[in-house]
Amino acid sequence: KAGVTQTPRYLIKTRGQQVTLSCSPISGHRSVSWYQQTPGQGLQFLFEYFSETQRNKGNFPGRFSGRQFSNSRSEMNVSTLELGDSALYLCASSSDRAANEKLFFGSGTQLSVL
Amino acid sequence: SQQGEEDPQALSIQEGENATMNCSYKTSINNLQWYRQNSGRGLVHLILIRSNEREKHSGRLRVTLDTSKKSSSLLITASRAADTASYFCATDKGTYKYIFGTGTRLKVLA
Repeated sequence: KAGVTQTPRYLIKTRGQQVTLSCSPISGHRSVSWYQQTPGQGLQFLFEYFSETQRNKGNFPGRFSGRQFSNSRSEMNVSTLELGDSALYLCASSSDRAANEKLFFGSGTQLSVL
Repeated sequence: SQQGEEDPQALSIQEGENATMNCSYKTSINNLQWYRQNSGRGLVHLILIRSNEREKHSGRLRVTLDTSKKSSSLLITASRAADTASYFCATDKGTYKYIFGTGTRLKVLA
């Protein structure tokens, strides 16, 4: 089985722009979670989707949004980028979060905001 | 913040020695997991321990869980240079999100 695929791997944007990151989960996995990782804050939970429904959301401003498609692929969008949004964005999938299963992570998208 | 915390933040040991890292968390949990992250990459799942378990083994890994103290420890025995990575604990309350700790950076010297 192919692993979790995140694209692009690296991204450079300027303040005020918007960005869309993509995540393709492992085949058969219906849950996708997003995390932001920064050196100072560690991993912070952004949101989790299951069968196109957002089941939980972290404490991030409304500039951060996401969605999940019928094929379980997910995208997250950040609008009006700020310097502090520079981070590694990680996507993780699991077959069914309600079963408290382990997460499978992608390699992440490294976003730099200049 | 609801994040867990790992202790120590950084650890440097010689190859062949054992490495112990600890995790403390703040709320009741369904399970606790440990993950490893090599520099700049995604996290890899190591082991999951449920709230009704006290100890679990997987190869050279031993995890303990003390729910009364809200803490867990990860022991890596006979460490190797390839074990050099950051290690994170993650707790789950069954609310569809994991809370990750701040991580322990382990360096194993050959």
